Amino acid sequence: GAGVSQSPSNKVTEKGKDVELRCDPISGHTALYWYRQSLGQGLEFLIYFQGNSAPDKSGLPSDRFSAERTGGSVSTLTIQRTQQEDSAVYLCASSPSGFGGPYEQYFGPGTRLTVT
Amino acid sequence: AQSVAQPEDQVNVAEGNPLTVKCTYSVSGNPYLFWYVQYPNRGLQFLLKYITGDNLVKGSYGFEAEFNKSQTSFHLKKPSALVSDSALYFCAVRFSYNQGGKLIFGQGTELSVKP
Repeated sequence: GAGVSQSPSNKVTEKGKDVELRCDPISGHTALYWYRQSLGQGLEFLIYFQGNSAPDKSGLPSDRFSAERTGGSVSTLTIQRTQQEDSAVYLCASSPSGFGGPYEQYFGPGTRLTVT
Repeated sequence: AQSVAQPEDQVNVAEGNPLTVKCTYSVSGNPYLFWYVQYPNRGLQFLLKYITGDNLVKGSYGFEAEFNKSQTSFHLKKPSALVSDSALYFCAVRFSYNQGGKLIFGQGTELSVKP
């Protein structure tokens, strides 16, 4: 079946602009995660959605970052007033459930964001 | 603090030789442990996981990992390496109680298999 998809695959933006990154999880997966991969910081957790529960935003690095998940499926990660340190690969993952179950996460191919 | 360490930035092996990629963790409680592989310009692919039970876990592409609770380690192994195994490998941990399932990753180990 279809895996996790992300768009765009690459995004180049000017410092100060807003960007939106999209994630389509695997159908039926209730848990959705965003991570950031950068040379200096490795792989970092950003935010997590589980069904209709309030999202876990504990990994968001600043209030310029926000995310939403509409209808329990597609998610959008928004970065406002981008800075050069936001340049990274943004990875989305989904799993059948977040709480309790020992499920692995399935990752999308990522969006490479470059802020110039 | 909860953490995962991969002490080697790079591991070099010859094709056909056994390989080991090391991972240690520091957590309270009983962790769930995972290995993922990342090929260039690709997302992470799941290899295997330890939840409970047998300490030796078998996964995709002939990989296996051994959970050692006393040493808090979860080393990835393969008896005979292939050139196509060359990639970036990540160890990750999540927690078996209510932590929302988020993963904490090690810094990654670059595996290079030479013919």
